[in-house]
Amino acid sequence: AQSVAQPEDQVNVAEGNPLTVKCTYSVSGNPYLFWYVQYPNRGLQFLLKYITGDNLVKGSYGFEAEFNKSQTSFHLKKPSALVSDSALYFCAVRAPDTSGTYKYIFGTGTRLKVLA
Amino acid sequence: DADVTQTPRNRITKTGKRIMLECSQTKGHDRMYWYRQDPGLGLRLIYYSFDVKDINKGEISDGYSVSRQAQAKFSLSLESAIPNQTALYFCATSDLDDRADTQYFGPGTRLTVL
Repeated sequence: AQSVAQPEDQVNVAEGNPLTVKCTYSVSGNPYLFWYVQYPNRGLQFLLKYITGDNLVKGSYGFEAEFNKSQTSFHLKKPSALVSDSALYFCAVRAPDTSGTYKYIFGTGTRLKVLA
Repeated sequence: DADVTQTPRNRITKTGKRIMLECSQTKGHDRMYWYRQDPGLGLRLIYYSFDVKDINKGEISDGYSVSRQAQAKFSLSLESAIPNQTALYFCATSDLDDRADTQYFGPGTRLTVL
């Protein structure tokens, strides 16, 4: 079955330290990979995506993600965390569906807490 | 978020009641989606529509129906609400010309079924 895994329910990091939020996937074919962020009482906001090309993708608010095909991972990173980065982060993959179209599969989310 | 709006933002209802959640968008996107979010489960797709005459079931469509009234409007109905439909509901859109189908979400509707 196709799936997306975010192995950590919560990640704590001190302000100014680098952060990593992990995501691995299991899909057929070449997936498109995404990161979204959800702030309290808000909808999900698009951060970045990987379609093809350079494995390091840069997105909004200083975030970046590295696509690793051999490890089937797409970890989200930021060199220096801010308290305002505290939010719920979702990894998602767009993968082929059995109906011949495509579907989005979301991970269960990782809560990032940046401590002052 | 302002480009995709959802009404109401919060709703409390009773078991057996019919509920409609509405979504409007000014992004000019053809594709629209309804998801529900439950703690620890991420987002799951309920229904999606690629244009006004197109309606497709997602992975959890049972107990729900939708109507695409116009390109900009996509409503979700619960014909007879039950407590396990208590969740956060999100509408999303994507652009036909975006091969990645990047999703743009509304602010959500928090629904409680008593």
